[in-house]
Amino acid sequence: DTGVSQDPRHKITKRGQNVTFRCDPISEHNRLYWYRQTLGQGPEFLTYFQNEAQLEKSRLLSDRFSAERPKGSFSTLEIQRTEQGDSAMYLCASSSGGNYGYTFGSGTRLTVV
Amino acid sequence: AQKVTQAQTEISVVEKEDVTLDCVYETRDTTYYLFWYKQPPSGELVFLIRRNSFDEQNEISGRYSWNFQKSTSSFNFTITASQVVDSAVYFCALRRVIQGAQKLVFGQGTRLTINP
Repeated sequence: DTGVSQDPRHKITKRGQNVTFRCDPISEHNRLYWYRQTLGQGPEFLTYFQNEAQLEKSRLLSDRFSAERPKGSFSTLEIQRTEQGDSAMYLCASSSGGNYGYTFGSGTRLTVV
Repeated sequence: AQKVTQAQTEISVVEKEDVTLDCVYETRDTTYYLFWYKQPPSGELVFLIRRNSFDEQNEISGRYSWNFQKSTSSFNFTITASQVVDSAVYFCALRRVIQGAQKLVFGQGTRLTINP
């Protein structure tokens, strides 16, 4: 297992378009998280899955954002009608529960023009 | 609410110098977890350490050491004999212990530059 994979690494889109990102967690990890990181800031929590259940959503996750984790494996994060303010790095992380640090992926950098 | 403050936005030192990164946190919980992550230019957050609030023993791992002081709500990180490869952005983070609480609350990060 090579860690948490995210695809694509970079995405440039025009304002108003929809985008979808994918995250493949470490296979034995049942928990998956999405964070957003803007330039010069720390990551901010967006949402959390345990297996296929979405257990927590941040207020940052407006109705234009939706995340899924079908079958408790990979996850997708979709942003509809993108805005320039959505430009950020979107980070995915996974964990096996317990109280250890999460393993993060390298992120998807979104630029909305 | 939980909050993490890293007052040092950027630090620049010459290689082999020791450097300390400060982290101050706020929480009303009596038990919690604290973390440090490193983010190199590649973007991936690399886990460095997790500390339980009930364990105030300081920890050393090679050139890295952590000083946890619950009385001042601080969890500082020191790199001894810094190297150019230590250049990165470092984040301190806090997580609640209560059941169901999974999110990490991050500080703003400290950009560390080690000059040769």
